[in-house]
Amino acid sequence: TQLLEQSPQFLSIQEGENLTVYCNSSSVFSSLQWYRQEPGEGPVLLVTVVTGGEVKKLKRLTFQFGDARKDSSLHITAAQPGDTGLYLCAGGRTGANNLFFGTGTRLTVIP
Amino acid sequence: DAGVIQSPRHEVTEMGQEVTLRCKPISGHDYLFWYRQTMMRGLELLIYFNNNVPIDDSGMPEDRFSAKMPNASFSTLKIQPSEPRDSAVYFCASTLSVWRTEAFFGQGTRLTVV
Repeated sequence: TQLLEQSPQFLSIQEGENLTVYCNSSSVFSSLQWYRQEPGEGPVLLVTVVTGGEVKKLKRLTFQFGDARKDSSLHITAAQPGDTGLYLCAGGRTGANNLFFGTGTRLTVIP
Repeated sequence: DAGVIQSPRHEVTEMGQEVTLRCKPISGHDYLFWYRQTMMRGLELLIYFNNNVPIDDSGMPEDRFSAKMPNASFSTLKIQPSEPRDSAVYFCASTLSVWRTEAFFGQGTRLTVV
């Protein structure tokens, strides 16, 4: 059973466009992390959100944690080819160290 | 710190052979995780350790898989005998503590079983 579903699964856009990817679950998480994975590498942490409704910005990336802490979104403004990669969300629960990873969104930004 | 170090980066083996993957976590991190990634199933947790003790191995596919962590700086994942369906990228990751769950991943081992 996949606890975290991400959408879309694949996304191909032109450089300069905006996009949003979603991470949804029926379960509540105490924290939500976003990772980016490039070909041949392991996932790299982008951000952690812990409070319902929290919004964090990382340059052109905006992350939001849902009020009920069951979902999250990642919005990229003016996408660049360097944003290409696999985006993974991961949910954490208090007192348990293992993360539940989402299904992933594979983003391609075309120059 | 050099980060999480995995070896080898690539492994090609014949069906039935034993395969051993190695991982050195970040010094001071209390938790170590082994994941498997495929296009079909995404990133799956196989097993994780806390202070060298296995905590949850429910993700280990079957008895052919085993993992050990003899000390805080080294872990192995062994597959014996290997099968073609074991072909995947295997990642090791470590986290600092139960309160700091940000995972630091190694570069992975790409395993191909022919």
